[in-house]
Amino acid sequence: AQSVAQPEDQVNVAEGNPLTVKCTYSVSGNPYLFWYVQYPNRGLQFLLKYITGDNLVKGSYGFEAEFNKSQTSFHLKKPSALVSDSALYFCAVRDPRAGGSYIPTFGRGTSLIVHP
Amino acid sequence: NAGVTQTPKFRVLKTGQSMTLLCAQDMNHEYMYWYRQDPGMGLRLIHYSVGEGTTAKGEVPDGYNVSRLKKQNFLLGLESAAPSQTSVYFCASINLPNGGNEQFFGPGTRLTVL
Repeated sequence: AQSVAQPEDQVNVAEGNPLTVKCTYSVSGNPYLFWYVQYPNRGLQFLLKYITGDNLVKGSYGFEAEFNKSQTSFHLKKPSALVSDSALYFCAVRDPRAGGSYIPTFGRGTSLIVHP
Repeated sequence: NAGVTQTPKFRVLKTGQSMTLLCAQDMNHEYMYWYRQDPGMGLRLIHYSVGEGTTAKGEVPDGYNVSRLKKQNFLLGLESAAPSQTSVYFCASINLPNGGNEQFFGPGTRLTVL
């Protein structure tokens, strides 16, 4: 079985400061990991993914995430937050060995609020 | 490319009424999904399809039916709407098995059942 946890419902950060949104996962093998962002009244947009290779993954809008196998984590980071980064962020995991249905499991989401 | 589109954007139903939500994608994706999003619950999978003519149940399928008669369209039906089905519904597709694994989402349909 696969699962993902986002331990924080909300993260507050001041503009210009670094931000981290946490995600931990559980799969039986090597995971495929994803981050999506949802702006108000919009659908989810893909930010970045880890499939294989470098543990540090760079994505859209200056975001990056680090895959840490020993800690089963995939935290989303950005060196300098913008007010426009305020949104709902979802982490997702998929076990590539789980058959042909390709169903990812999503976390409950973390609301990021960047204060001016 | 329009990507993934959903019709309608908003709808208000009375208990017991029926409706169909339409999802269309122009990316030639095989896999399509219907989710519902409720506050604090994240995304929950209702039904999915791995190709034209195929459908399967997800995590919360009760009260919903789906059809995938054409590859580009995935329809979600509510036969007898209930207030518990008040939610925001999202459709998604994946470019698999040969693509990048990430999902492409539609803009959502906000449904209220009175």
